[in-house]
Amino acid sequence: ETGVTQSPTHLIKTRGQQVTLRCSSQSGHNTVSWYQQALGQGPQFIFQYYREEENGRGNFPPRFSGLQFPNYSSELNVNALELDDSALYLCASSTWGAETQYFGPGTRLLVL
Amino acid sequence: GENVEQHPSTLSVQEGDSAVIKCTYSDSASNYFPWYKQELGKRPQLIIDIRSNVGEKKDQRIAVTLNKTAKHFSLHITETQPEDSAVYFCAASLSGANSKLTFGKGITLSVRP
Repeated sequence: ETGVTQSPTHLIKTRGQQVTLRCSSQSGHNTVSWYQQALGQGPQFIFQYYREEENGRGNFPPRFSGLQFPNYSSELNVNALELDDSALYLCASSTWGAETQYFGPGTRLLVL
Repeated sequence: GENVEQHPSTLSVQEGDSAVIKCTYSDSASNYFPWYKQELGKRPQLIIDIRSNVGEKKDQRIAVTLNKTAKHFSLHITETQPEDSAVYFCAASLSGANSKLTFGKGITLSVRP
């Protein structure tokens, strides 16, 4: 098991609400990437954070935003939730400049 | 951008047989290729990876081969066991900064006892 943790494990929201998901990176890692995994699909890159700044974004709208804190932990915020946002949200930690990413257990979000 | 495709989408093998899962990628600049195993309800777990300066890498019963010219790479599992049953994802990325992973859709491997 990796040292990457995420909270909460499960979450149910209604359409239009906002949600915040949290990720603690593995010790020694300073980069956090977020992925969305829809049912039956591979993870899709949302964005990556390094030095508390967004460093690269996938094909996701601005209502998906994030933060990284000085201790390298990170948050993913999603505003104006839509039904299609229902998915498993995974964070992965790594060391800046290294390719290998280690995933957390994910947060399963259900939007009703 | 990068596009990664996996085939087949499902694979069933008898325990003890070998399994081969293939992936193709589109961006010739990609140079890092990991494989992840995801059991039901669990996190993707890195099982092996390969960089473009290497053609093959092996770790016990698992090996990965890379053909840069054809832009495809394969996961080989020998002496399969029931606990190998899971969804396997291949991915590709550039190494270094901004190393976002582009994943395939996954293949469900079933190992029949």
